[in-house]
Amino acid sequence: KQEVTQIPAALSVPEGENLVLNCSFTDSAIYNLQWFRQDPGKGLTSLLLIQSSQREQTSGRLNASLDKSSGRSTLYIAASQPGDSATYLCAVRHSNYQLIWGAGTKLIIKP
Amino acid sequence: DTAVSQTPKYLVTQMGNDKSIKCEQNLGHDTMYWYKQDSKKFLKIMFSYNNKELIINETVPNRFSPKSPDKAHLNLHINSLELGDSAVYFCASSQDQAGGATDTQYFGPGTRLTVL
Repeated sequence: KQEVTQIPAALSVPEGENLVLNCSFTDSAIYNLQWFRQDPGKGLTSLLLIQSSQREQTSGRLNASLDKSSGRSTLYIAASQPGDSATYLCAVRHSNYQLIWGAGTKLIIKP
Repeated sequence: DTAVSQTPKYLVTQMGNDKSIKCEQNLGHDTMYWYKQDSKKFLKIMFSYNNKELIINETVPNRFSPKSPDKAHLNLHINSLELGDSAVYFCASSQDQAGGATDTQYFGPGTRLTVL
């Protein structure tokens, strides 16, 4: 059974720092892994999608990596800003087409 | 233009009532989803429809019945509401769910349901 874990559950860092969020999954039979952010009281916004054949994807200050064999993905945020404060969720599209979600990491960027 | 819209945004109702939440997407996507996010913020898939056909039906009580009149709409009807149904319900859509680059999900703003 595919399980997705995000550690830590919460993270607080000063503005300007680079940081890494982690996502791990138990079954490497995936089609893709997706990163989202959720602002309080809002829906989820897709950030990056990495297909299983890819190693990383970049969008602006965000870089997501995927190591399928070890069941890990990281989301790297460069030069963090207060506007980056949100909950970040990862989800994997399992080989049975189910989309399995992590519980999220709540990120706070302190000005 | 709103890509994925849901109505209502807030819904407060009494136990035992029947209610519906509507979802529409104007992205031309083939696949739509309903998610439930509980008080602990954990997101759980409820249903997935592809071209108006039910693809995924997770372990959800029969009181929840999705209806897709066309591929741009996926409504959620809930019968005999219970206290435990209180949560935020999100609708989402994607071009497909085949696992490729077009698998990106677009979410609606959510409907906060409170059952008293």
